[in-house]
Amino acid sequence: AQSVAQPEDQVNVAEGNPLTVKCTYSVSGNPYLFWYVQYPNRGLQFLLKYITGDNLVKGSYGFEAEFNKSQTSFHLKKPSALVSDSALYFCAVRDSRNTDKLIFGTGTRLQVFP
Amino acid sequence: DAGVTQSPTHLIKTRGQHVTLRCSPISGHKSVSWYQQVLGQGPQFIFQYYEKEERGRGNFPDRFSARQFPNYSSELNVNALLLGDSALYLCASSFSRAYRTDTQYFGPGTRLTVL
Repeated sequence: AQSVAQPEDQVNVAEGNPLTVKCTYSVSGNPYLFWYVQYPNRGLQFLLKYITGDNLVKGSYGFEAEFNKSQTSFHLKKPSALVSDSALYFCAVRDSRNTDKLIFGTGTRLQVFP
Repeated sequence: DAGVTQSPTHLIKTRGQHVTLRCSPISGHKSVSWYQQVLGQGPQFIFQYYEKEERGRGNFPDRFSARQFPNYSSELNVNALLLGDSALYLCASSFSRAYRTDTQYFGPGTRLTVL
């Protein structure tokens, strides 16, 4: 069965510093991986996805993610954090090619301090 | 272009009642999926509908049902509400083209509280 794990419940970083939010995956076959962000009392906003190709994926709002097949990881990164990046971040994997079903991790709360 | 819209925004029901949640996809999207997000957890997949047919079903009881209309909008119905059904219900839409991994775009959600 497909699954993703987000090992950190919360990540704290100072504004202007680089940030990393970790995600590892377990899939049979090719992984289709996604990152979403959720602000308080809001739905999920799409940041980026990895389907195939370059291991470094660039997304919205200056975020990028690095796909590492050998380590089965898909970590979300940003070179310089903003206070406004503070939110809940979810990693997800598509269950199969026959359905849109996404399997989400438990989420990581990112807190950026001024 | 408008994003995914959901109604109502908030809803309060009592145990045993029935609820209907509504979703309108992004224009041109033919697939709608429903997710349940309990406080402190990631979203859990409930249903996917594509071209008015069920394409996927998550591990939810038969009290949960859904349908998709000719204009691709969708309804999620929950019967005999339980306290544990209190959650944020998210709708997502995508093109869902064959052999492509299209992005799902989520609506703002409906917050359901069961008393």
